Amino acid sequence: DVKVTQSSRYLVKRTGEKVFLECVQDMDHENMFWYRQDPGLGLRLIYFSYDVKMKEKGDIPEGYSVSREKKERFSLILESASTNQTSMYLCASGLAGGNTGELFFGEGSRLTVL
Amino acid sequence: GQSLEQPSEVTAVEGAIVQINCTYQTSGFYGLSWYQQHDGGAPTFLSYNALDGLEETGRFSSFLSRSDSYGYLLLQELQMKDSASYFCAVRGSSASKIIFGSGTRLSIRP
Repeated sequence: DVKVTQSSRYLVKRTGEKVFLECVQDMDHENMFWYRQDPGLGLRLIYFSYDVKMKEKGDIPEGYSVSREKKERFSLILESASTNQTSMYLCASGLAGGNTGELFFGEGSRLTVL
Repeated sequence: GQSLEQPSEVTAVEGAIVQINCTYQTSGFYGLSWYQQHDGGAPTFLSYNALDGLEETGRFSSFLSRSDSYGYLLLQELQMKDSASYFCAVRGSSASKIIFGSGTRLSIRP
């Protein structure tokens, strides 16, 4: 089974702190994604990566950066956390191209910024 | 840009059929997916349509009309366990970028 593992299920951070959210997948997928999920807003794409060291902005990249040094790992970085970044963060991975469009999700990281 | 619209809530009766619609606006189009998410859980993939028509997987079917930028998810023989949020998602402006709708919360009454 495909497994997408997010390093932390729950985090509490203070305003201004630097936050790292780690995601690892074990199926050699080319594509990896970071979404945030807020009630009534669905899943909003922050960043995605289609290859090692390659990244593209999603719809809400402000205040975030990402790193993909290895194919299996995709990290989301909040340089200076703010209270409006309190949210559920979901990592996903999937094959490039293909005809399924299927993404596999991690269990999520719930971040609270105080 | 890209956007998707789907109803925020739908209520149905156990054993009945329900249809969840999704309309999308994208600069390009590769395919439309559907995901299910139970409270507290991660989204899980249900179906994908790249071509017009109906795809059936057990009690769930998904339909796509590319000319109308429209798709739907059809759930038959509803069970209480189908109570969840359902999201449509589109691969649009690039083959790699996948955007989700805001989700439809399906509530099922006995």
